[in-house]
Amino acid sequence: NAGVMQNPRHLVRRRGQEARLRCSPMKGHSHVYWYRQLPEEGLKFMVYLQKENIIDESGMPKERFSAEFPKEGPSILRIQQVVRGDSAAYFCASSPVGGLADEGKTQYFGPGTRLLVL
Amino acid sequence: KNQVEQSPQSLIILEGKNCTLQCNYTVSPFSNLRWYKQDTGRGPVSLTIMTFSENTKSNGRYTATLDADTKQSSLHITASQLSDSASYICVVSAIASNTGKLIFGQGTTLQVKP
Repeated sequence: NAGVMQNPRHLVRRRGQEARLRCSPMKGHSHVYWYRQLPEEGLKFMVYLQKENIIDESGMPKERFSAEFPKEGPSILRIQQVVRGDSAAYFCASSPVGGLADEGKTQYFGPGTRLLVL
Repeated sequence: KNQVEQSPQSLIILEGKNCTLQCNYTVSPFSNLRWYKQDTGRGPVSLTIMTFSENTKSNGRYTATLDADTKQSSLHITASQLSDSASYICVVSAIASNTGKLIFGQGTTLQVKP
């Protein structure tokens, strides 16, 4: 059973370009979470999605950032018109059931995509 | 404000020695606390999960403790190995339905030297 897969592992963009980050959850997992880790900082929650639904996007910047998790295919985190401050590691995690309030709902993390904006 | 603070920020120990990492949190209402290990360039991997009613939980050479009254947790590593060199992250979840929020500490960077 393959783990959470993210691609690309490294992405370089110039200011103003678009960045698309992909996440394929573990087999059987229908809940996906995106986190951002800025240099020298801890991970910060961005968005929580189920298939075709955004459940909680309270951590997403209001502009330029969007996320989707279609019925078929990977989850996509899209950053439009990137700026240097977007440079960070973006981690995706998945879980077999939703929410985090109950014991045992471990989130399994992917290896991350490291975005560098020049 | 929900926060998770870890100490020390970094730690260097010799192979074979024990160490203890600390985590203080102000998350409320509390649901569970997790310790993750993050190797350089990799995603976090779960070590332990503890709920309000649990005081201690072990995973091999890793033992986590939780004091929900003082809102403190520790991660004790016994007989350290070179492969223990990593960042150890304390993560707290608040009670909430249908949300994905985990609150992460900044981590303690552990370096084990031969």
